[in-house]
Amino acid sequence: ELKVEQNPLFLSMQEGKNYTIYCNYSTTSDRLYWYRQDPGKSLESLFVLLSNGAVKQEGRLMASLDTKARLSTLHITAAVHDLSATYFCAVIKSSGDKLTFGTGTRLAVRP
Amino acid sequence: NAGVMQNPRHLVRRRGQEARLRCSPMKGHSHVYWYRQLPEEGLKFMVYLQKENIIDESGMPKERFSAEFPKEGPSILRIQQVVRGDSAAYFCASSPLAGPYNSPLHFGNGTRLTVT
Repeated sequence: ELKVEQNPLFLSMQEGKNYTIYCNYSTTSDRLYWYRQDPGKSLESLFVLLSNGAVKQEGRLMASLDTKARLSTLHITAAVHDLSATYFCAVIKSSGDKLTFGTGTRLAVRP
Repeated sequence: NAGVMQNPRHLVRRRGQEARLRCSPMKGHSHVYWYRQLPEEGLKFMVYLQKENIIDESGMPKERFSAEFPKEGPSILRIQQVVRGDSAAYFCASSPLAGPYNSPLHFGNGTRLTVT
């Protein structure tokens, strides 16, 4: 069974600082998604990473994928309050399989 | 272009009652997925449906839970004889192509079920 773990589970960071969220998964996969969820809201797709070494950037967020290490990172640069949310990674093993979510990382950016 | 529509947004049921959650996928999407999110946890897959077919129900509890996606109308997730442990947010997602391997899932705003 595919297991997806994120750390940290909770992250409180100051505005302007940098930090990285880690997503580890247990079996071979070459497709990984990052989602954002605001409290009481739905999930918004941020990135899809399709191959080893893939890197995607949008604003202050950058995601990367290392399929050999079974690791994805979400790097936050110069955090701002608007980035406060819960971030989920989600992995799919192969075509026809279901999407398995990580436990989520709740990010709180304080002034 | 309306997104995935779920209703109701909030649903309160007493123990033993039935809960019906509805999901209308995005226009042009024929694949629907239901996920459950317990407080402070990630989303857990429940079931994947296409029109009139259940493709994967490996995440559905064996009893009391059922799902359908009829030819006409929304997908329905039905929970019979609800218990307190069913309290959660239930999210529906849709995609135009089969499976999240081929395209990102688009999620609805969820139905928050509270069982008293």
